[in-house]
Amino acid sequence: ELKVEQNPLFLSMQEGKNYTIYCNYSTTSDRLYWYRQDPGKSLESLFVLLSNGAVKQEGRLMASLDTKARLSTLHITAAVHDLSATYFCAVDGEGLQGAQKLVFGQGTRLTINP
Amino acid sequence: GAGVSQSPSNKVTEKGKDVELRCDPISGHTALYWYRQSLGQGLEFLIYFQGNSAPDKSGLPSDRFSAERTGGSVSTLTIQRTQQEDSAVYLCASSYKRDQPQHFGDGTRLSIL
Repeated sequence: ELKVEQNPLFLSMQEGKNYTIYCNYSTTSDRLYWYRQDPGKSLESLFVLLSNGAVKQEGRLMASLDTKARLSTLHITAAVHDLSATYFCAVDGEGLQGAQKLVFGQGTRLTINP
Repeated sequence: GAGVSQSPSNKVTEKGKDVELRCDPISGHTALYWYRQSLGQGLEFLIYFQGNSAPDKSGLPSDRFSAERTGGSVSTLTIQRTQQEDSAVYLCASSYKRDQPQHFGDGTRLSIL
C-alpha cells in the first residue's frame, strides 16, 4: 500500500528565509504532484514531476524528485507572506486506464511572518 | 475557461438522511475524481472514473457511498443514511491526461447534525 509522508507538518518562518518541505513515499512511482491550498479554498496545482531528477521552478518555489530515494522536496527561497498556505504532495499510485490514483501527504501548513 | 464546478457549496442535513453531491468537470477531461477532506483523515481518495471504463471504487469507505457519471461528464456522489463521521469537505477533480495535474473544484462542505 502506497503511503506518503510529509515533514514538517507545521512550519513557521520569517520572511526572507529559506526552507525545505520533504515528501517521502513508500512504493515505486515516477509521478509526483505538488498542490497549494489556501484556507477555505480548494487545491491549486503547483508542480508536476514526471521522472527521476525532475526539477521545476516557479518564482520562489522549486520542486525536485528523486525516485530512487522516493523523495521529493519543495524548496522555498526568500519567503514572502503571500506564500503562507498548506502545501500537499501527492504520489500517483497508478490507476487503471491511464488515470491517476493520487495518495496525498498530510500537508504542511506554512506560515510566513513579516 | 470554466473550471470544475461543484454543488451545493454547503450542505447541512440530519443524520440518517441521504445526500447527493454534484460535480461538473472541465469540458473534455476524461478522468473525474472524488476525494474527501477532513481534519482527522486528511485528503482521501474515494472513487475515480476514466472514460468509459468501470470506475475504481476502492476508496469508498462503506456501501452507503456510491457515485455515477452520466454521459462521461457530470458526476453525482450519493451518501445514504448519513452519519456524523461523514461530515467533511468533498472535493471533485478532473484531468485530461495522465501526465497533467488534476483540477479541483471548490468542494462541498457537508455537515451532518
